[in-house]
Amino acid sequence: EPEVTQTPSHQVTQMGQEVILRCVPISNHLYFYWYRQILGQKVEFLVSFYNNEISEKSEIFDDQFSVERPDGSNFTLKIRSTKLEDSAMYFCASRSGTGAAEAFFGQGTRLTVV
Amino acid sequence: RKEVEQDPGPFNVPEGATVAFNCTYSNSASQSFFWYRQDCRKEPKLLMSVYSSGNEDGRFTAQLNRASQYISLLIRDSKLSDSATYLCVVRDQGGKLIFGQGTELSVKP
Repeated sequence: EPEVTQTPSHQVTQMGQEVILRCVPISNHLYFYWYRQILGQKVEFLVSFYNNEISEKSEIFDDQFSVERPDGSNFTLKIRSTKLEDSAMYFCASRSGTGAAEAFFGQGTRLTVV
Repeated sequence: RKEVEQDPGPFNVPEGATVAFNCTYSNSASQSFFWYRQDCRKEPKLLMSVYSSGNEDGRFTAQLNRASQYISLLIRDSKLSDSATYLCVVRDQGGKLIFGQGTELSVKP
């Protein structure tokens, strides 16, 4: 069964450092998303990406965040200068785009900012 | 009002019990509705989509009432393996998913 894969599974970084979280969506999917989940809280939308551009972003997705689909397969989330409050699970998801198609989630990257 | 609101939980039930989860959503223009399951520190996984006519998948029954903006999930004959957090999820017009805070279920022997 095709799946969304994310790397790394766990990233520890010092405050102020840049991190790049990587995702490989399912190959024929058209819509890509990043969500995050702070420990003990709900899953929150960060950004959606379609046709090589951001289609929607949340208030959380400020200038510190950026996304790229550099090579037609990878989908990356960059955080330029990490803060302690960026510590969370980051989930990538993709969807085929047909009708009510479900979104498939990767297993997540646990980001710990120290 | 929260965009998607669920019973706070947790629910602690014995094996074999029937358990019901309730959810309300605020945006009447929401497009699609789902129940996801999340095991501890894992990714959300789709349990079932929810349709206006109601739908059933084995021991699981989901219902949607668009007029009252209400979604429900019923689990019959609960198993130990049903222990997880159940997430009510709504897709908005833009396509993004909006999650409820989840209701934790613990099924005990």
